[in-house]
Amino acid sequence: NAGVTQTPKFQVLKTGQSMTLQCAQDMNHNSMYWYRQDPGMGLRLIYYSASEGTTDKGEVPNGYNVSRLNKREFSLRLESAAPSQTSVYFCASSEAAGGASYGYTFGSGTRLTVV
Amino acid sequence: DQQVKQNSPSLSVQEGRISILNCDYTNSMFDYFLWYKKYPAEGPTFLISISSIKDKNEDGRFTVFLNKSAKHLSLHIVPSQPGDSAVYFCAARGNSGGSNYKLTFGKGTLLTVNP
Repeated sequence: NAGVTQTPKFQVLKTGQSMTLQCAQDMNHNSMYWYRQDPGMGLRLIYYSASEGTTDKGEVPNGYNVSRLNKREFSLRLESAAPSQTSVYFCASSEAAGGASYGYTFGSGTRLTVV
Repeated sequence: DQQVKQNSPSLSVQEGRISILNCDYTNSMFDYFLWYKKYPAEGPTFLISISSIKDKNEDGRFTVFLNKSAKHLSLHIVPSQPGDSAVYFCAARGNSGGSNYKLTFGKGTLLTVNP
C-alpha cells in the first residue's frame, strides 16, 4: 500500500540509550518531516527535509539528529535518550515543501517511552 | 509563541447537528490553512484546506471558512456523524525562507459526536 511507513511502532528505552526511528515513503515525495505529539501540545516539528540532500531544524530539534538517506527515507536518531523524549513520533511527507492544498501524508506513528 | 491556536480542547455535539471547530492564528504571512483529523493510534489525515486568497472552501459535509481580518478560521461539519469523533488539528503554512515552507499545527480539538 502506498504511504508512509514508520518502524518500529513501539519502543521502550532506558535513559542514555540511543536508537534510530526509520521512515520511508513510496509516493515519490520531495519533502519529509518528523513531528512529535505530546498531550496538550499538539504536533511539533523536530526536523524536516525540503528535498533530498537538505535538512533543517524545526521547532524542537534539541536531542535529535536526522538523515535524509535518499529520496524515500528519512531517519530520526536519539543519541542519548531522556525521559523528556517520551512521546509519539510521526513522520510525514509531501510532494512539495509545505504541502499546501493537498497536505502532508503521515505515518501511523512510533510510540516511544524512555524510562 | 503559539502561532496557531485552538482554544477549545474538546467539543461534544449530537449526531445530525452542526460541529464548529475554531482556530486562530497570529502570523499574517501564513498563505494556506489546513485541517487534519486524527483517530487514536493512527497518524493524522488531511481533511480540507483553504488558500489565504479565499474565504470559503467546501468538500461534502466539510466547509472551512477563513476570516483574514480576524485571523480566524473555522471548520463546519454538517451533519455530524459518530464516525467524525476524532481529534482535529488546524495547521497553517508559512515560509521560513526560499522554498522552505512548513506547517505549524495547533494543539487540537477533540470532537465527540454522540448518537
